Amino acid sequence: GAVVSQHPSRVICKSGTSVKIECRSLDFQATTMFWYRQFPKKSLMLMATSNEGSKATYEQGVEKDKFLINHASLTLSTLTVTSAHPEDSSFYICSAREGTGGYSNQPQHFGDGTRLSIL
Amino acid sequence: SQQGEEDPQALSIQEGENATMNCSYKTSINNLQWYRQNSGRGLVHLILIRSNEREKHSGRLRVTLDTSKKSSSLLITASRAADTASYFCATLRGSSASKIIFGSGTRLSIRP
Repeated sequence: GAVVSQHPSRVICKSGTSVKIECRSLDFQATTMFWYRQFPKKSLMLMATSNEGSKATYEQGVEKDKFLINHASLTLSTLTVTSAHPEDSSFYICSAREGTGGYSNQPQHFGDGTRLSIL
Repeated sequence: SQQGEEDPQALSIQEGENATMNCSYKTSINNLQWYRQNSGRGLVHLILIRSNEREKHSGRLRVTLDTSKKSSSLLITASRAADTASYFCATLRGSSASKIIFGSGTRLSIRP
């Protein structure tokens, strides 16, 4: 079945560091990918929708300059947490939707997440 | 808030018992989906029920949908220890129903 690979799975770094997380669709093309953030024992909160070849669409309250998203190809989207601080520590999950258009019944596949810890 | 509501927030049952989780949502939908998340992992799609369906089965899973009440339930029959996970309902939002928005989730624990 369709696989989404997310890398790295875990990052521990010092405050002020910028961290890049990659999300790849391995056996399908994805014009749209999504980035979620999840706090412990909480649900996934959609941060932004990443569109291949165009700017990402951010949800209300998400800082564009803090969370940089690049979707340069049909199989890769990256999320960069710039100048990370302890409050940015969280579990970040990406997902990719197969195909284009007719969204309502297109399957969405999730990566295994990245646990980011900022010291 | 992005989220719909799910109840219970946490559920602990004995292995072999049935587990029922409920989800309520606020907007009209084309379909509703249920996902499972093992601790510290990504989400796995379990089942999709369309708005014109009332019930759907997949193995030990049974999902119901009541669009008049804007609610859905997920029943896991004959639970197993491996069913321990968090379960989320999800609906599509935004222009062209392009975004999946998750409910608050139910943490299910199966006692051996």
